[in-house]
Amino acid sequence: AQTVTQSQPEMSVQEAETVTLSCTYDTSESDYYLFWYKQPPSRQMILVIRQEAYKQQNATENRFSVNFQKAAKSFSLKISDSQLGDAAMYFCAYRSVGGATNKLIFGTGTLLAVQP
Amino acid sequence: GAGVSQSPSNKVTEKGKDVELRCDPISGHTALYWYRQSLGQGLEFLIYFQGNSAPDKSGLPSDRFSAERTGGSVSTLTIQRTQQEDSAVYLCASSADRYSNQPQHFGDGTRLSIL
Repeated sequence: AQTVTQSQPEMSVQEAETVTLSCTYDTSESDYYLFWYKQPPSRQMILVIRQEAYKQQNATENRFSVNFQKAAKSFSLKISDSQLGDAAMYFCAYRSVGGATNKLIFGTGTLLAVQP
Repeated sequence: GAGVSQSPSNKVTEKGKDVELRCDPISGHTALYWYRQSLGQGLEFLIYFQGNSAPDKSGLPSDRFSAERTGGSVSTLTIQRTQQEDSAVYLCASSADRYSNQPQHFGDGTRLSIL
């Protein structure tokens, strides 16, 4: 079974600075998807960025980028030029390719605080 | 609506009562998922629907939990004889189909509190 681990329960960053959130996962599959979701106090899960395991190039979405290390099974999220609106809970998630359901498997989350 | 809609937003009930949580997915989305988020935890998969059928119920924690989906659209998650450990946020997500490259879109969830 696949597992996702986020070892940083809480992180803090100064506005305009850069922060990196860590995520590791365990799987025996060779092809899969990885995601970072943001959950503000409104509770809605918002997709931040996704990475396809077969792609070596790291995904980037504006100020958000990932460092995907497939051999190490590591998938960290870097937020550049942090803004107050980035404050939220961030979840790393795994999804199989071609599975019967393609359900998401989540880590326990990292609560990010942004200091003005 | 444009997004996934869940109701009620909050529900408080007494232990032993039954509750029904509703999810209205994005129009045209055939895949629908229920997740549970307990305090301080990540999201835990409960059940998956493709159309009206539920090929994966493996995440339902007990037989007190059931779900149905009618008309390939609205889904209802029912919890019978609620217990305090059922207190959590229940999130629904939908996607265009079950294939991996389709992102899941989440609703705002229902916060369930069992007294």
